[in-house]
Amino acid sequence: DAKTTQPNSMESNEEEPVHLPCNHSTISGTDYIHWYRQLPSQGPEYVIHGLTSNVNNRMASLAIAEDRKSSTLILHRATLRDAAVYYCILRHTGNQFYFGTGTSLTVIP
Amino acid sequence: DSGVTQTPKHLITATGQRVTLRCSPRSGDLSVYWYQQSLDQGLQFLIQYYNGEERAKGNILERFSAQQFPDLHSELNLSSLELGDSALYFCASSESSGYTGELFFGEGSRLTVL
Repeated sequence: DAKTTQPNSMESNEEEPVHLPCNHSTISGTDYIHWYRQLPSQGPEYVIHGLTSNVNNRMASLAIAEDRKSSTLILHRATLRDAAVYYCILRHTGNQFYFGTGTSLTVIP
Repeated sequence: DSGVTQTPKHLITATGQRVTLRCSPRSGDLSVYWYQQSLDQGLQFLIQYYNGEERAKGNILERFSAQQFPDLHSELNLSSLELGDSALYFCASSESSGYTGELFFGEGSRLTVL
């Protein structure tokens, strides 16, 4: 399974943008990049996913490097509710989601 | 609310015992996944079922087994429980096996083995 590397933890001030990096240098051409987050005491929830182009949805934006060896999840204005563990996952069609240890995001009021 | 229902939410039992965790997927979802999350590890993929058939196995112990029934609900059976089996067990569902979209997770079943 393709591996992802994320910082263990990050901090952000409330209402400021947050850029969460993910390295996936062994990504293959058919691997989708997924981001999930897990709020305290809850199951993971889907944030966003993409293949090659940058993606936007109501929760976040996903910026994918041209060589696809890295990506960045962008939260445009961090709120206290965004404090969570963020997982970057590569998924090949038909394969399973393997979660790493993720990045624990702390939002400072 | 993800639409995935897990029961029980909390379970306390003793070593050597056997428990069954239940998962009802979102309406229309054919694929069910089980994950284990313990304090010192991240989410560990255990097993996946698609429309009643086992589709993939991850780090599932031989003491653990699962099945998916015709009504698509799934059960995870944990036997000869050990202290180290204490964890959160999550069920997730998706529309299909090869679907590259999102997984929907339940709120988990917290198992404590004393």
